Amino acid sequence: QQQVKQSPQSLIVQKGGISIINCAYENTAFDYFPWYQQFPGKGPALLIAIRPDVSEKKEGRFTISFNKSAKQFSLHIMDSQPGDSATYFCAASSPAGAAGNKLTFGGGTRVLVKP
Amino acid sequence: DAGVTQSPTHLIKTRGQQVTLRCSPKSGHDTVSWYQQALGQGPQFIFQYYEEEERQRGNFPDRFSGHQFPNYSSELNVNALLLGDSALYLCASSSRGTGLYEQYFGPGTRLTVT
Repeated sequence: QQQVKQSPQSLIVQKGGISIINCAYENTAFDYFPWYQQFPGKGPALLIAIRPDVSEKKEGRFTISFNKSAKQFSLHIMDSQPGDSATYFCAASSPAGAAGNKLTFGGGTRVLVKP
Repeated sequence: DAGVTQSPTHLIKTRGQQVTLRCSPKSGHDTVSWYQQALGQGPQFIFQYYEEEERQRGNFPDRFSGHQFPNYSSELNVNALLLGDSALYLCASSSRGTGLYEQYFGPGTRLTVT
């Protein structure tokens, strides 16, 4: 199976709060899990990514938590700011071989940070 | 260092027509992938090109075809346009030297089929 399921579809958080977005996957061959941020009218921008050999990765206010046994991973946005208001997508990729690779995306989460 | 560029920005076509979208990859990248993003949904993989050949293809009909040029730029062609082809078409580039994992997206081409 190639599906990646993302939740919630939308969330509202107060400025300074924590935004949490969850994703679940089925294909155990996936070995790369990026998160993308997309603003209206723009292409997705790579935010942070993790491999399954680590359980957590932090870059600034963004943290990925990864649970290999549960086949789940999540994005935490600490100290959320109004400028973080965007749609966030999780994705997953299988190992790239001679046939290349592709990203399988979740359905997206629209985050609104209220001032 | 220029990122991924795409042209045109917007396009309006009539059902049954053909369209060509263009993409220039990020400097240093040799692989181009195309994705279709319908309104309110995540991007869906169309195909990926490396060394001027289609390496992998998603679940899209043969009406969708592509090409990669020696300078690594790429074109996406869609024939016999349907209303359902209206979407944001995204190009992403990556490098085989870094394992293809990090894909960087362009701003997209918004295609409207009427």
